[in-house]
Order: sequence, then structure tokens, then C-alpha cells
Amino acid sequence: KAGVTQTPRYLIKTRGQQVTLSCSPISGHRSVSWYQQTPGQGLQFLFEYFSETQRNKGNFPGRFSGRQFSNSRSEMNVSTLELGDSALYLCASSLSGRSVSGNTIYFGEGSWLTVV
Amino acid sequence: EDQVTQSPEALRLQEGESSSLNCSYTVSGLRGLFWYRQDPGKGPEFLFTLYSAGEEKEKERLKATLTKKESFLHITAPKPEDSATYLCAVGEAGTALIFGKGTTLSVSS
Repeated sequence: KAGVTQTPRYLIKTRGQQVTLSCSPISGHRSVSWYQQTPGQGLQFLFEYFSETQRNKGNFPGRFSGRQFSNSRSEMNVSTLELGDSALYLCASSLSGRSVSGNTIYFGEGSWLTVV
Repeated sequence: EDQVTQSPEALRLQEGESSSLNCSYTVSGLRGLFWYRQDPGKGPEFLFTLYSAGEEKEKERLKATLTKKESFLHITAPKPEDSATYLCAVGEAGTALIFGKGTTLSVSS
């Protein structure tokens, strides 16, 4: 059974550009959540989607957005990139429709974003 | 204030030297406590979920326990391949998982 797949794995962008990251959840999983990981802040929650609806959102500026498609695949977008957006962006999926807090979530390998 | 605190930040062990990692939390209405292992450059790998005080789970050399205020990850006779960062996360009603900063474990032979 394939795990969570994230693309691209590595990318370099220039300040002011935008970026789109993609995530395919484990087959049968309907909930997808996104996290940002940096050495100083650790793992920070961005947002969670279930059945194409955003159910939960972390404390990030509006430059960070996401969406989920009918096949449960998800994308996140960061516009007007800043140097501080350099991080590992992790996608995680879970099985059921309950709140993320009660479910085990499974992570992908992440997308490494470097902003120069 | 941090709701999930892991200690120590870093731990160095000799192969075979057992020890414990701590995860203390202050959330109310715990919906689950999760342990993950993360190797450099990779995403976190799920280890255990604990739901109620007194619960214990084991996997190979790892054993996780849970009380009302903290969880321990006990590592028995560790091997170099156990070297990784161990992350703890708690689920609180109505919110996403809250992660601690992690404990980086190094096991030398």
C-alpha cells in the first residue's frame, strides 16, 4: 500500500515568487493536513482538509493557502515568497472524518523549499 | 506557553544503554498522544498512539507509556539504528495535533 506522496521533493524559489506543492494521500484516506517544519519552530500546523472543505487552519498569513480535490489529493500554495518561508513542508493523511486531533496521521517525505 | 514539552532536547547513549524520553503536556481534553520517529531529511514515521492514562504500547526496543500529564518513550538496549529525532504530539478536542520540538537521540556503538 503506497504511503503519502509529495511532489516536488526539492525546490528553490526566489523571493516574491509563488510555489505550489502537491500531496497524494494514502489510498482511502480522506483527510489531509499540512505542516511546516523549521529547525527553530518545529512542526507547525498549516491547515486540514476533509472532503474538499477546509476544517481547520493554523496561525499563518493569508499567503498560505490550500485546497483538496474530489480524489482527496491536495495542493498548497504560498504566494509572494519570503526568505522565512524556507522550510520542510509536510503533508499528512488520516483515515476517517473525525477531527484530526483524534486520528493517527501519516506523513509523507516532505517538500524542501528554499527561498533565495 | 508551550503545550507540549519534550526532554531532553538531545540524548547520547552507548549501544545497549537503556533510557527514557519524556513528553509533558498541558492540554485539557486529551484526544490522543502520538509518538513519531524522524530521520534526517525524511518525514516523521508513526510509532504509537496512546489514548488514556495507564495505556502502554511496545514495538521492538521501544515502549510508550501515558499518564495524565506526561508520556515516556522507553528505549531498551538501543542500537545505532535507533538514532533519530523522536517527536511527541497531542490531540486536543477541536484542534490539530500539537507537536513538541523533539528529542534527538544518538546511539554509538
